[in-house]
Amino acid sequence: DTEVTQTPKHLVMGMTNKKSLKCEQHMGHRAMYWYKQKAKKPPELMFVYSYEKLSINESVPSRFSPECPNSSLLNLHLHALQPEDSALYLCASSQAQGTGNTIYFGEGSWLTVV
Amino acid sequence: GIQVEQSPPDLILQEGANSTLRCNFSDSVNNLQWFHQNPWGQLINLFYIPSGTKQNGRLSATTVATERYSLLYISSSQTTDSGVYFCAVESMIYNQGGKLIFGQGTELSVKP
Repeated sequence: DTEVTQTPKHLVMGMTNKKSLKCEQHMGHRAMYWYKQKAKKPPELMFVYSYEKLSINESVPSRFSPECPNSSLLNLHLHALQPEDSALYLCASSQAQGTGNTIYFGEGSWLTVV
Repeated sequence: GIQVEQSPPDLILQEGANSTLRCNFSDSVNNLQWFHQNPWGQLINLFYIPSGTKQNGRLSATTVATERYSLLYISSSQTTDSGVYFCAVESMIYNQGGKLIFGQGTELSVKP
């Protein structure tokens, strides 16, 4: 079963709201990722977690706060976002980080900031 | 950093036609994957192919790592093949492990 599950699929939030995106995988993968994709652009890496520890932060603004509570779960906490943060947020996982393993993506969460 | 270029950027096919998509990359890579992004946004793995040739039904892919390119072949195209095809590579630089760098994509439209 190669499945990464993301919730919610759609989220509309105001600039003063606090919300979270959630991601879950049950493949026993130890690396999990957040990517951001703007319209008509390719996905871009935001964060990498390896064995539940933050491994890569691609200079993402602090209004995005990742959390990896356990090996199966990855959250992205959102606070005081801007309209330009509206995008598709994709979670992914792989067996391990940096070993050339296949990376599997979830269906994504469409975020609109109003 | 590593550069990934895909061609063509757009492609319109009649149903049943064949096509070849190309991906060039600028440095040695640990990982190369082809994805199909459907209209709902999901990135579907097509191939993990850092080198060699693989086939899956009407799709096949070839990566020539020494010459730094990969090709995706679609035969007998169907309307359901429409969408954006991305090539993505993972750098061999240790502290960039897991970071997939995507090309700009090829937007394919298959007409009935």
